Amino acid sequence: GQQVMQIPQYQHVQEGEDFTTYCNSSTTLSNIQWYKQRPGGHPVFLIQLVKSGEVKKQKRLTFQFGEAKKNSSLHITATQTTDVGTYFCAALRYGQNFVFGPGTRLSVLP
Amino acid sequence: EAGVAQSPRYKIIEKRQSVAFWCNPISGHATLYWYQQILGQGPKLLIQFQNNGVVDDSQLPKDRFSAERLKGVDSTLKIQPAKLEDSAVYLCASSWSMGIAYEQYFGPGTRLTVT
Repeated sequence: GQQVMQIPQYQHVQEGEDFTTYCNSSTTLSNIQWYKQRPGGHPVFLIQLVKSGEVKKQKRLTFQFGEAKKNSSLHITATQTTDVGTYFCAALRYGQNFVFGPGTRLSVLP
Repeated sequence: EAGVAQSPRYKIIEKRQSVAFWCNPISGHATLYWYQQILGQGPKLLIQFQNNGVVDDSQLPKDRFSAERLKGVDSTLKIQPAKLEDSAVYLCASSWSMGIAYEQYFGPGTRLTVT
């Protein structure tokens, strides 16, 4: 079946440092979505990427879709304590349903 | 707009008992999903409905899990009999439609503990 990997599994950063999480698929994707889940909360949609090489920004967050549409990244500039949570990618393969990655858990030390 | 509603929020049962979860999606959303999220893992799709029809139930353990969405709105997910490994958070999500992917709106989830 479709494999979706995310690295790193955990990341601890000092407030103000940057953070990047990577999502990798074994197959070419139709599109990819990113979600954030706060501790004890539910996943909340952040962004959807559709085009090869697409880059989207939301304030301090930058999302990128790889040229081969097999990988994606989420970069946070100057992390804040409000960024704490687990970041999931959800990969959609053509004709199939979304598969969520295992997530990257981010902790931010003040 | 009101979000996705789920109940109960928490449930503790003994193994071999049965349990049911309820979900009310956002008004107008045709697509409804049930996910199982085990602690420390990403959500795993159990079943997807488009209106009241099943689109994907390939990962639903059909010997013990069942789900329905009779009128194309509310949905229930049932486990009978429960096993220890069913302990997880059960998330319901909805979206406007399917095909070109739409963002999914998640409910707060039901945390199930099987003892």
